[in-house]
Amino acid sequence: DVKVTQSSRYLVKRTGEKVFLECVQDMDHENMFWYRQDPGLGLRLIYFSYDVKMKEKGDIPEGYSVSREKKERFSLILESASTNQTSMYLCASSGGGPPTNEKLFFGSGTQLSVL
Amino acid sequence: AQKVTQAQTEISVVEKEDVTLDCVYETRDTTYYLFWYKQPPSGELVFLIRRNSFDEQNEISGRYSWNFQKSTSSFNFTITASQVVDSAVYFCALSGTNTGNQFYFGTGTSLTVIP
Repeated sequence: DVKVTQSSRYLVKRTGEKVFLECVQDMDHENMFWYRQDPGLGLRLIYFSYDVKMKEKGDIPEGYSVSREKKERFSLILESASTNQTSMYLCASSGGGPPTNEKLFFGSGTQLSVL
Repeated sequence: AQKVTQAQTEISVVEKEDVTLDCVYETRDTTYYLFWYKQPPSGELVFLIRRNSFDEQNEISGRYSWNFQKSTSSFNFTITASQVVDSAVYFCALSGTNTGNQFYFGTGTSLTVIP
């Protein structure tokens, strides 16, 4: 069964902490994405990557960075967590070809609370 | 500009009723793709369907059907004889050749099926 696995389902952090959200996929997908989901706003793209060591900014990259050292792993980093980064974070991956043609496979999400 | 509008924020139906979820999109692309995803309470978005802009045929899959109408820029989703397991948040999404490798998601419709 193909899977996108996010390391934590729930996470509570303090303001100013550095936070790492990990995502691993086992489908050998080239493309990986980080979204944040907020009520009434739908899903907003933070960053995506179409290859190892490659990254592209999405709509809301401020306050975030990413790392993709291996094909199967895409990490989202909150350099200094703030309360407005409290949200549900969703990782997704998709197969070859233009990313926008292929369906996304999602992880179960990480609900991050920044206090 | 690319945009997806799901005007229905929340819908409640009684089990076995039919329900239609609306999706209206805006795009300047001539080639684009439309998607529906389901997000059950577990949190993981699951792909339901993808249509490209050149294929306006309606599609039926079991109790699910989709009505794609380019003339009204709509891609509506109907569940026939709804069941409690259909309770979820449903997202419509758009991607196109000029979206910069992004998907544009609607804000989602939360469907509750009452037994």
